[in-house]
Amino acid sequence: DTGVSQDPRHKITKRGQNVTFRCDPISEHNRLYWYRQTLGQGPEFLTYFQNEAQLEKSRLLSDRFSAERPKGSFSTLEIQRTEQGDSAMYLCASSFVPGLAFFGQGTRLTVV
Amino acid sequence: AQTVTQSQPEMSVQEAETVTLSCTYDTSESDYYLFWYKQPPSRQMILVIRQEAYKQQNATENRFSVNFQKAAKSFSLKISDSQLGDAAMYFCALTNTGNQFYFGTGTSLTVIP
Repeated sequence: DTGVSQDPRHKITKRGQNVTFRCDPISEHNRLYWYRQTLGQGPEFLTYFQNEAQLEKSRLLSDRFSAERPKGSFSTLEIQRTEQGDSAMYLCASSFVPGLAFFGQGTRLTVV
Repeated sequence: AQTVTQSQPEMSVQEAETVTLSCTYDTSESDYYLFWYKQPPSRQMILVIRQEAYKQQNATENRFSVNFQKAAKSFSLKISDSQLGDAAMYFCALTNTGNQFYFGTGTSLTVIP
């Protein structure tokens, strides 16, 4: 499969725990995005990488959220001290051409 | 600021008929891209069609076509010969630099057999 891959697909965690998600972009895609989607809503932008540099970060991304993309390949999104409001689908997308992004299947997070 | 508005939360269409989904947007940029994404119940967002703002010609992909009205900031999606597999949530999206995509709230399309 040469698409965007996200792991895990589902995560259930207790409030207060830390979670980490992984995204493997399409090979040679230098742009990588993280989005959050709650039920019935469109995706909301969280952050954007070009290669290993994090170039944009949404105000939605509180200091409990951190994202990395070491070596410009895969990316991780970590949420510390999870809260119930963090329950959502976390989507990763990658792109090589500006304005053409391909999405992964997402990681569904449930905080109980 | 960039915004995308989809004013139709739900639409339905008879199988084999044509349906049009509406989208309006706002941006101060002159160069940008517009998209329609489809999100079936499996939740993976799939790119349906893409339009570059500098192109006057409306994009077409098989049964999917757009009506891009730049002055009116309107970008509607027409689905012809609707099929059961077209049932999904459809999102209109906008980006200018490609650093960030702005999505509408979506239109849920039901295809009636």
